[in-house]
Formats: sequence, structure tokens, C-alpha cells
Amino acid sequence: GENVEQHPSTLSVQEGDSAVIKCTYSDSASNYFPWYKQELGKRPQLIIDIRSNVGEKKDQRIAVTLNKTAKHFSLHITETQPEDSAVYFCAAPGGTSYGKLTFGQGTILTVHP
Amino acid sequence: GAVVSQHPSWVICKSGTSVKIECRSLDFQATTMFWYRQFPKQSLMLMATSNEGSKATYEQGVEKDKFLINHASLTLSTLTVTSAHPEDSSFYICSARDNLGSNEKLFFGSGTQLSVL
Repeated sequence: GENVEQHPSTLSVQEGDSAVIKCTYSDSASNYFPWYKQELGKRPQLIIDIRSNVGEKKDQRIAVTLNKTAKHFSLHITETQPEDSAVYFCAAPGGTSYGKLTFGQGTILTVHP
Repeated sequence: GAVVSQHPSWVICKSGTSVKIECRSLDFQATTMFWYRQFPKQSLMLMATSNEGSKATYEQGVEKDKFLINHASLTLSTLTVTSAHPEDSSFYICSARDNLGSNEKLFFGSGTQLSVL
């Protein structure tokens, strides 16, 4: 099955700085890579996703890059704000059933005012 | 947007009792739903894939007789934790994929915090 590794486990930045979270995956059949933001006790919220036919996608302050050859993808948050503080998860589907995702271990992002 | 409703949001029960959690897709049909378990400060671990009209597919190490899943309609899946014990205390969360969706986007329920005394 798919194996997803996520780093770092915790990330602390000053407001206005950039934050980068990286994930690697094992199954070369994976073709969809979402990122979720989860606040304490709440549901994961999809913040951005990328398909394997593109190398980068951007949505305002958030961007995701994908390197299929190396099997890794990264989340970039620019101009961080305190409300960006949360746990972020990457995920990949592997080659298994439609919609089944394997999640990374999560990154606790703290943005200090 | 697609909305997934999950109830209850929290439940406290005595050891040995059973607890049922409901997951409903409110504005779309979902042939497939997924049930996850999340311990504090940990990732979401897939427990099982719920398939409408057929048996659920369980991940390795998940007891199917303990975690009963029923997906009787295209908008409702239920997870029943049978004979719950304190070690079953966790955050349970469901997700669903829109049948008409063109990609693998998942929509999550709000989760259920289960505490077994």
C-alpha cells in the first residue's frame, strides 16, 4: 500500500514568514495529492490539492509543488498569519480504490504574532 | 459545497455498551464513505471503506466484529462500536466522495469524540 512520510512534525514561525512542509510517498501510481488543515477538535479542511499532470499550483498565499520523479510534494505558505496555526496533513491515494487516502503524520504549525 | 454531517459530535458511555455514529452526505450521493480514527496529536488512520449496498472493507488490524459498518443508502453510513472499552476512546471521523465528483476530493464529517468510562 501507499506510505506517506511528512516533515517536520512541528514548525514554528514568526508572523509574515514563510512555512514549508514536505511529504514523500511510495506508490508511483498516486496521481492526486491533497493538503488538509485541521484545527483542534474539528474536521480536516481541504486547502489545496494537485494532480500529477502539473508541477505546481498556487492559491493566494498557499502553493503546492510536486516532483513525481522524486515522489515528493510540498506545501508552501507565504506571509503567514496567526490564524494559519493548525495541524496540516498531506495525503496520497496510492493505486487503490477511488477516494482512499493515506495521510502523513501531520505538522503542527505555530505562527507567532 | 458538499456537506457531510456526523452525529453525535461527542459521546460518553460506560464500558461494555455499544455506540452508533452516523455519517450523512447532505447534498450529494456517496457510494463510498470512509471511517477514520484519530488519537490525540496523531494522524488520521483509515479503519474501513464503507460501500453502499455491500460489505465494508476493513484495514488490516481493524476488527470487523467490533466496528460494525452499515451503508444502507447513498447518503448514510453508520459505524457502531460494539462492547466499547476505554481503549476505544478516540476521535472518529468519516469522509465521503461525491459520486458526481470528477476527482478524488473527500469531504469530512465534523467528527465524534468517544469517551468510554
